[in-house]
Amino acid sequence: AQKVTQAQTEISVVEKEDVTLDCVYETRDTTYYLFWYKQPPSGELVFLIRRNSFDEQNEISGRYSWNFQKSTSSFNFTITASQVVDSAVYFCALSEFDRGSTLGRLYFGRGTQLTVWP
Amino acid sequence: KAGVTQTPRYLIKTRGQQVTLSCSPISGHRSVSWYQQTPGQGLQFLFEYFSETQRNKGNFPGRFSGRQFSNSRSEMNVSTLELGDSALYLCASSLVLPQETQYFGPGTRLLVL
Repeated sequence: AQKVTQAQTEISVVEKEDVTLDCVYETRDTTYYLFWYKQPPSGELVFLIRRNSFDEQNEISGRYSWNFQKSTSSFNFTITASQVVDSAVYFCALSEFDRGSTLGRLYFGRGTQLTVWP
Repeated sequence: KAGVTQTPRYLIKTRGQQVTLSCSPISGHRSVSWYQQTPGQGLQFLFEYFSETQRNKGNFPGRFSGRQFSNSRSEMNVSTLELGDSALYLCASSLVLPQETQYFGPGTRLLVL
């Protein structure tokens, strides 16, 4: 079973539009961490945010904001006033803490390709 | 502070050969993880090392192996290459615990012909 689901494979928007990338996760651990990474065409995964399971406060960083809802197992990412430079593949990831057998493992979603047109 | 570095960046090999990829973590980081990224399977965990010990391993055949040196630098080796091993191999480092933020290198693009 997929631990992290990103249902949106591709999203296209025009510059200055707001866009939300969805992420749904599945875990039985009570302690876990959620991440978002950005992968531009160069290939390197760029860290955006890390959230632990006990902190459900939404976070805003400039044009980026994240909505974490344990009740729906979702950790969505919104870009406000999108720009062409935001074009990339965005990955949501889960790290479980309670079970040592999966220590060190990030479970990634399949990613969402975001294209922002000028 | 320098980021995670990986060498080489690009590699072309033929089936049956073996390959060694190198990763230097961020200074002070002691945990190194490796991932394989392919269009078909996405990003998959290979293994994680800390203090020269493999702490966890993903579901890959024994042809995939790795090691970590005392300076935290890590190498991964793939023996008897198959066409399906063509992928982007990403290395990530974190301070001590892998649940901490993992910072990724630029990756090594391996093409097996």
